[in-house]
Amino acid sequence: DAKTTQPPSMDCAEGRAANLPCNHSTISGNEYVYWYRQIHSQGPQYIIHGLKNNETNEMASLIITEDRKSSTLILPHATLRDTAVYYCIVRAHNAGNMLTFGGGTRLMVKP
Amino acid sequence: NAGVTQTPKFQVLKTGQSMTLQCAQDMNHEYMSWYRQDPGMGLRLIHYSVGAGITDQGEVPNGYNVSRSTTEDFPLRLLSAAPSQTSVYFCASTDRATRAQHFGDGTRLSIL
Repeated sequence: DAKTTQPPSMDCAEGRAANLPCNHSTISGNEYVYWYRQIHSQGPQYIIHGLKNNETNEMASLIITEDRKSSTLILPHATLRDTAVYYCIVRAHNAGNMLTFGGGTRLMVKP
Repeated sequence: NAGVTQTPKFQVLKTGQSMTLQCAQDMNHEYMSWYRQDPGMGLRLIHYSVGAGITDQGEVPNGYNVSRSTTEDFPLRLLSAAPSQTSVYFCASTDRATRAQHFGDGTRLSIL
């Protein structure tokens, strides 16, 4: 899996958009960008993934730069329940079953 | 829409006892995995399965057994519990098309 770099922590006001960056400058052509989060005392939760096109689902949007060396996860209207550690993971589909979570970004949504 | 269901949610054992942590998924996923997560640490893979009847070891398999007799169920057995196995255990199943992993809510296990 390619190495990723994320800021250790971020704050966001409730109701505003949360933009979480991830740098993955060594990403290979067959590697996807995945985002998970872990809310305190809960299991990790899959959010979204993409290869090179921007993606959107009911939880978030994923913006991947044209050179694929970085991406941004966008939570359009953050709520207090979005307070969690967010993990950006880069891996190929044939990378095996083990997920390796790095440090992630601890997002604190404040009222 | 249950997803991945783990039972029990909490368990306290004495050293030397054995027990089985249950995991069931209703998404017809072939791939399933067991992880442990220690305080302030990331996930570590214990065992995984790529389909019924097929299991393999992960990063930290010692002291644990698994079996996969059906697609839905993937139980994790502690053979003789030790205090070092105190942890939170997560089961996950993987969507074959997207490779996204879907996790249960975890079992919090304390070994005294």
